[in-house]
Amino acid sequence: NAGVTQTPKFQVLKTGQSMTLQCAQDMNHNSMYWYRQDPGMGLRLIYYSASEGTTDKGEVPNGYNVSRLNKREFSLRLESAAPSQTSVYFCASSDRGATGELFFGEGSRLTVL
Amino acid sequence: RKEVEQDPGPFNVPEGATVAFNCTYSNSASQSFFWYRQDCRKEPKLLMSVYSSGNEDGRFTAQLNRASQYISLLIRDSKLSDSATYLCVVNEDNNDMRFGAGTRLTVKP
Repeated sequence: NAGVTQTPKFQVLKTGQSMTLQCAQDMNHNSMYWYRQDPGMGLRLIYYSASEGTTDKGEVPNGYNVSRLNKREFSLRLESAAPSQTSVYFCASSDRGATGELFFGEGSRLTVL
Repeated sequence: RKEVEQDPGPFNVPEGATVAFNCTYSNSASQSFFWYRQDCRKEPKLLMSVYSSGNEDGRFTAQLNRASQYISLLIRDSKLSDSATYLCVVNEDNNDMRFGAGTRLTVKP
């Protein structure tokens, strides 16, 4: 059982470049999330999708866009990467929104030069 | 003030020791509480939910104090494999979990 799969695992970008982080879950969960994790800080919610066809901003949405392509897939796009977006990004899914267990992908380590 | 605060540690304890972590939260309307474990360079994984009456899972005990707005995690008989970062997580509303920055634990032989 793959759970939550996210790609790529590592990426180096130059300032101003764009990229998309892909995430897919095979647990039939309605809710999906994108978090970023920076040293000394907790995971911070970027965007979430409570169900297929809906997306909402989280705590730190600026500089990001998302697409809930279908129930399985939730992508995160950086249109014009900035050094402040250097971070580890985690995708997660849940079958009961934020009241239930979050299942995380292995993380994507992004460096913006 | 951060919504969820934890002592970052590190806590360095010998095998067999008992260690406790506290976590405070600022939103009195928070409804759900969790402890997650995160190994170095890995994703967080649920350790246990925290119920109002307190709950125990083997060597791990979680407590919630709503009046003082904190949750705690007690680990008894620490094992080397318990070395990790422990994340306190508070559900702010239906789709917003707030994470503490984590408490790092190292269990030494």
